[in-house]
Amino acid sequence: KQEVTQIPAALSVPEGENLVLNCSFTDSAIYNLQWFRQDPGKGLTSLLLIQSSQREQTSGRLNASLDKSSGRSTLYIAASQPGDSATYLCAVGPRSGSARQLTFGSGTQLTVLP
Amino acid sequence: NAGVTQTPKFRVLKTGQSMTLLCAQDMNHEYMYWYRQDPGMGLRLIHYSVGEGTTAKGEVPDGYNVSRLKKQNFLLGLESAAPSQTSVYFCASRGTAADGYTFGSGTRLTVV
Repeated sequence: KQEVTQIPAALSVPEGENLVLNCSFTDSAIYNLQWFRQDPGKGLTSLLLIQSSQREQTSGRLNASLDKSSGRSTLYIAASQPGDSATYLCAVGPRSGSARQLTFGSGTQLTVLP
Repeated sequence: NAGVTQTPKFRVLKTGQSMTLLCAQDMNHEYMYWYRQDPGMGLRLIHYSVGEGTTAKGEVPDGYNVSRLKKQNFLLGLESAAPSQTSVYFCASRGTAADGYTFGSGTRLTVV
């Protein structure tokens, strides 16, 4: 059974700092990996999707990398802003199965201090 | 706006009551999923569907039933609500297995 771990559970940084969020998974036979953002009391917003054949994806100040062999993904946020404060979740989809449903980590709660 | 719409947004039920949560998507997506989110437990898959007329059990299916009679709708039913079903329920959809998920805004359910 796939297990997804995100460490740390919470992170607080001053505004302007570059930061890295970590995601690890136990089964490297993945189809894709997706990073989400969740604001308090809200739904999940997709940030980046990485297919298993890709090493990284970029969107604005966000860059996600994938290393299947080590079972790791990182989300890099450049020049953090208070508006980046949210919980960030990663989720992995398996290579097998008809639905390839995502398995989620518990998230990292990020606070960017002004 | 195009996307995934969940109704209702909030609901309080008494133990033993029944209800249906509706998920509707207008993106012609094949795959639809129901998750529940609980503090300390993360998101767990309840049921899913890979196309109209199909459903399958996820990780925590007990106490729930689903139907996908129309491609755009995925219904989650609670026949006899229990306090353990107090949670936030999220619906998601995707066009193909290679696509990312699009989530609805959630239904916050409290069973007293």
